[in-house]
Amino acid sequence: SQTIHQWPATLVQPVGSPLSLECTVEGTSNPNLYWYRQAAGRGLQLLFYSVGIGQISSEVPQNLSASRPQDRQFILSSKKLLLSDSGFYLCAWSRGQGFTEAFFGQGTRLTVV
Amino acid sequence: GESVGLHLPTLSVQEGDNSIINCAYSNSASDYFIWYKQESGKGPQFIIDIRSNMDKRQGQRVTVLLNKTVKHLSLQIAATQPGDSAVYFCAENPYSGAGSYQLTFGKGTKLSVIP
Repeated sequence: SQTIHQWPATLVQPVGSPLSLECTVEGTSNPNLYWYRQAAGRGLQLLFYSVGIGQISSEVPQNLSASRPQDRQFILSSKKLLLSDSGFYLCAWSRGQGFTEAFFGQGTRLTVV
Repeated sequence: GESVGLHLPTLSVQEGDNSIINCAYSNSASDYFIWYKQESGKGPQFIIDIRSNMDKRQGQRVTVLLNKTVKHLSLQIAATQPGDSAVYFCAENPYSGAGSYQLTFGKGTKLSVIP
């Protein structure tokens, strides 16, 4: 069976500090990978998606970047965090052939102080 | 995604009753729809999906109805239980065919089950 791991679960970082959130998927190959952000009480906003190693598409301009160094690894980064980067970050995967449901990780609660 | 802020729509249902959660979508070209359940502090969990060539699909205690004429999606939960309390999101794939990767999420609805 497929599983998705996302860490850390919670993170408190000062303004201006760097960020690295990691997500890995097990039990599947060539998944589509996604990073979403969810502000408090709101829906999910797609930040990045990737259809293969080294292939990243950005949906919104922002202070964040994403990388996919391995087939089942997706990393969300920032060089300098802003207060507005606070939120609940979710990694997700879907099967690479055709569009099917996306499976989400448990999320990372990021608070920038 | 749509912005709800602090005014997340809320549905309160008595335990054992049926729940109906509604969702309006905007893109008539969307061909795939999903309902997710999100418990506090957790990632969304897949409940049920439906493709645009169907108007109804049933799962265990859940039914999704799709009305393409009015671009409306609903989730029916039978015999609602306390464990069903969560925020429910509908999502649509606004493109068709290969290369369509983005899910657009609708407003969440908070379901509260009264014991």
